[in-house]
Amino acid sequence: GGIITQTPKFLIGQEGQKLTLKCQQNFNHDTMYWYRQDSGKGLRLIYYSITENDLQKGDLSEGYDASREKKSSFSLTVTSAQKNEMAVFLCASSSDRGNQAPLFGEGTRLSVL
Amino acid sequence: GDSVTQTEGLVTLTEGLPVMLNCTYQTIYSNPFLFWYVQHLNESPRLLLKSFTDNKRTEHQGFHATLHKSSSSFHLQKSSAQLSDSALYYCALSVRGSALGRLHFGAGTQLIVIP
Repeated sequence: GGIITQTPKFLIGQEGQKLTLKCQQNFNHDTMYWYRQDSGKGLRLIYYSITENDLQKGDLSEGYDASREKKSSFSLTVTSAQKNEMAVFLCASSSDRGNQAPLFGEGTRLSVL
Repeated sequence: GDSVTQTEGLVTLTEGLPVMLNCTYQTIYSNPFLFWYVQHLNESPRLLLKSFTDNKRTEHQGFHATLHKSSSSFHLQKSSAQLSDSALYYCALSVRGSALGRLHFGAGTQLIVIP
């Protein structure tokens, strides 16, 4: 079976720091997503990519960059971490065939001191 | 724009009672795809149900939901709550199918089942 691996699982940063989160999937899925999860606000889409080297902005793209250099990997960069920020970042992927719902990785938990 | 509304942020139920979590959506597209995801503590969201067909009941693991385009609803139901059903439930909408489109999630409903 396939798996979506997010690294690191926990990330502690300093205010103003640039932080990079990585996601790898071995499902051979075409589309990959980055969501941010905050309590009471649901899952908000930051970026998604429908193929290698493609990038599409979501609702929350400001303050983030993303990169899809390979079909199997999708990275997210927090360009300047905000003090006291705490959130979970979830990577997901889905196939273009049929009506397949995205599968999620286990998340990266970010804390900014 | 497209959106999903889950009216209850928290639902607390006694074990054995029926579950109903509300989900309504807004979209101008006539063929929406609706999903329910479940997220247990310290886990990632997992697909529970999906539907693309109007007025057809879909079931999985004791849960069921029916997409009603007339009322733009996709409520999640279960006849008898179990302690293990305690989790965060998300309703989500896609208007082009999940792959080439993107999912719009509701804010989530935390379900707590007590003995």
